[in-house]
Amino acid sequence: AQSVTQLGSHVSVSEGALVLLRCNYSSSVPPYLFWYVQYPNQGLQLLLKYTSAATLVKGINGFEAEFKKSETSFHLTKPSAHMSDAAEYFCAATGGTSYGKLTFGQGTILTVHP
Amino acid sequence: DTGVSQDPRHKITKRGQNVTFRCDPISEHNRLYWYRQTLGQGPEFLTYFQNEAQLEKSRLLSDRFSAERPKGSFSTLEIQRTEQGDSAMYLCASSPLDGSSYNEQFFGPGTRLTVL
Repeated sequence: AQSVTQLGSHVSVSEGALVLLRCNYSSSVPPYLFWYVQYPNQGLQLLLKYTSAATLVKGINGFEAEFKKSETSFHLTKPSAHMSDAAEYFCAATGGTSYGKLTFGQGTILTVHP
Repeated sequence: DTGVSQDPRHKITKRGQNVTFRCDPISEHNRLYWYRQTLGQGPEFLTYFQNEAQLEKSRLLSDRFSAERPKGSFSTLEIQRTEQGDSAMYLCASSPLDGSSYNEQFFGPGTRLTVL
C-alpha cells in the first residue's frame, strides 16, 4: 500500500525567499510522484511529475522537485517566492495499478508575505 | 477544449435527501476518476472508470453512493440518504488511455456539498 506524508500543514515565507515544501512517500513498488497546486475555488493543477527518468524534475512557474530514493522523498522547491505562489500544494503518488489511481498527502498551505 | 467541468459547483441539501453530481471529462479522455476532499485533507480516491466500465471502487464508497458513466462520456455520482459526514468537495478528473500509469490527471473545479 502507498502513503504520502507532507511535513507541515502551513508554510510561511517572505516574497523572494526560498520555498521548500516537504513530501515523503512509502510504497512497495517504484512510485510515480506528482505535485499539484490548488488555488481557492479551483481544481488541482499539475506542477510537475516524476516518472523514473531524471531525478530532478522541473515544472511550471519556476518550481522543481528532486526524487531521492534513499530518503523516500520528493520535496518541492522554488528559489524565489512570489505573491502569486500562495496556494495549497499537494504531493501525490501512483504505482502498483495500471490506471494511475492517485494517493495524496494532506496538503501544505503556502503563505507568502510581502 | 475547456477542460473538465463539473455541475453543480455548490450543493446544499438536508440530511436524508438524495443528490447527483455530473462530470464532463475532456472529450478524448477514456479514463475518469472521482475523488473526495474534506477540509484540511488531500483528495481521496473514490472510483475509476475506463470508458463506460467501472473498474475500481474504494471502500469509502458505501452502498449509498453510486457512480455511472453511460456511453463512456460524462459521469454522474449519486449519494442517497445524505449524511452530514458526506459534506466535502467532490472532484472529478480525467486522463487519456495511453498505456501508462503516470499520465497526468486533469481535474475539474469540484462540487462542494454541504449537508445540513
